[in-house]
Amino acid sequence: EPEVTQTPSHQVTQMGQEVILRCVPISNHLYFYWYRQILGQKVEFLVSFYNNEISEKSEIFDDQFSVERPDGSNFTLKIRSTKLEDSAMYFCASSPRFYNEQFFGPGTRLTVL
Amino acid sequence: DAKTTQPPSMDCAEGRAANLPCNHSTISGNEYVYWYRQIHSQGPQYIIHGLKNNETNEMASLIITEDRKSSTLILPHATLRDTAVYYCIVRASSGSARQLTFGSGTQLTVLP
Repeated sequence: EPEVTQTPSHQVTQMGQEVILRCVPISNHLYFYWYRQILGQKVEFLVSFYNNEISEKSEIFDDQFSVERPDGSNFTLKIRSTKLEDSAMYFCASSPRFYNEQFFGPGTRLTVL
Repeated sequence: DAKTTQPPSMDCAEGRAANLPCNHSTISGNEYVYWYRQIHSQGPQYIIHGLKNNETNEMASLIITEDRKSSTLILPHATLRDTAVYYCIVRASSGSARQLTFGSGTQLTVLP
């Protein structure tokens, strides 16, 4: 069964550094999402992406965040200058159409020191 | 999207049915009820969704009341691997790419 994959599984970085989290959505899906979950807290929506542009974004998704689909398979989340409070699990998700169920990847644990 | 209310935790004996309730009294006509679960910090996993009719798949059944103000997710024969946080999410079927708004969910613990 096709699934969403994410790399790396764990990323450790120093505060102020840039990180890129990578996702490979399910191949025939058209809608892509990033969520995050700070340890012990709720899963929070960051951004949705369709047709090579952002469809929705939350208040969390400020100017230090960006998303890109650089080729036909990858979907990336870049954090330009990481802060301690960016430490969280980051989940990528995809869906074939916007009203369909979303399929989540296993997540990338980001630790900012 | 309408707000949902779920009990914070529930226990269930292995092999028995787990019935997880959800209240969504402000649900509107074009909003679906979705259920996801999250096993120990893994990515959320889609379980089932419905609009007004009861639904069943290989994982679970979803019972939605006639007034659509509440629903119950049923895991017919719970196993230890079903221990997880279960999220009931109400989501519109139209509009732009729709985010999922996760609440605190119900921690289901399946006991041996």
